[in-house]
Amino acid sequence: DTGVSQNPRHKITKRGQNVTFRCDPISEHNRLYWYRQTLGQGPEFLTYFQNEAQLEKSRLLSDRFSAERPKGSFSTLEIQRTEQGDSAMYLCASSLRKIAGGPNEQFFGPGTRLTVL
Amino acid sequence: KNEVEQSPQNLTAQEGEFITINCSYSVGISALHWLQQHPGGGIVSLFMLSSGKKKHGRLIATINIQEKHSSLHITASHPRDSAVYICAVKAAGNKLTFGGGTRVLVKP
Repeated sequence: DTGVSQNPRHKITKRGQNVTFRCDPISEHNRLYWYRQTLGQGPEFLTYFQNEAQLEKSRLLSDRFSAERPKGSFSTLEIQRTEQGDSAMYLCASSLRKIAGGPNEQFFGPGTRLTVL
Repeated sequence: KNEVEQSPQNLTAQEGEFITINCSYSVGISALHWLQQHPGGGIVSLFMLSSGKKKHGRLIATINIQEKHSSLHITASHPRDSAVYICAVKAAGNKLTFGGGTRVLVKP
């Protein structure tokens, strides 16, 4: 257990439905990341937050995807009008930005596996 | 061409064998991560490297910044080491760019 939790762990939905996932990072971590991983592939970056500000979004994040981190703690990722191609593992990670700078280690949650029928 | 390439894609070893996984990248980086992913999805960070070499138990990670190459070694492999090992680099910005992973199976 890394200290990062995600809910739900599994979600099965029908095409066209909206889904929302939640990520609770390690409490003192100010950075939060969302990644998507399809079967047999490495994860791909979707977006990241520093505190409540969304600082970067991938081109993979279409208009149907929206992420929020309203109070700088937990984050939600919503997918509207789901498509079969959205079926994947959605991973959340958190890290602590150091004042002195430099790379920071990311701690990953267990992921939410989405299946769109 | 992907920014991060791993080899081999799949590896089968007998218990006790020495395992090496390679990672090459094409961009300037500030750090390289080695991650382990077990069936079911959970990812655990094994190492974060900026230079040189790190060791933790039976795992050793090395990086050559000039050659843009890193290796992960598993000494005295054990069936519980069976997992997918993923290399990820931190280049510009704060996101990680991942390799495709190496699926390792250690047979008893």
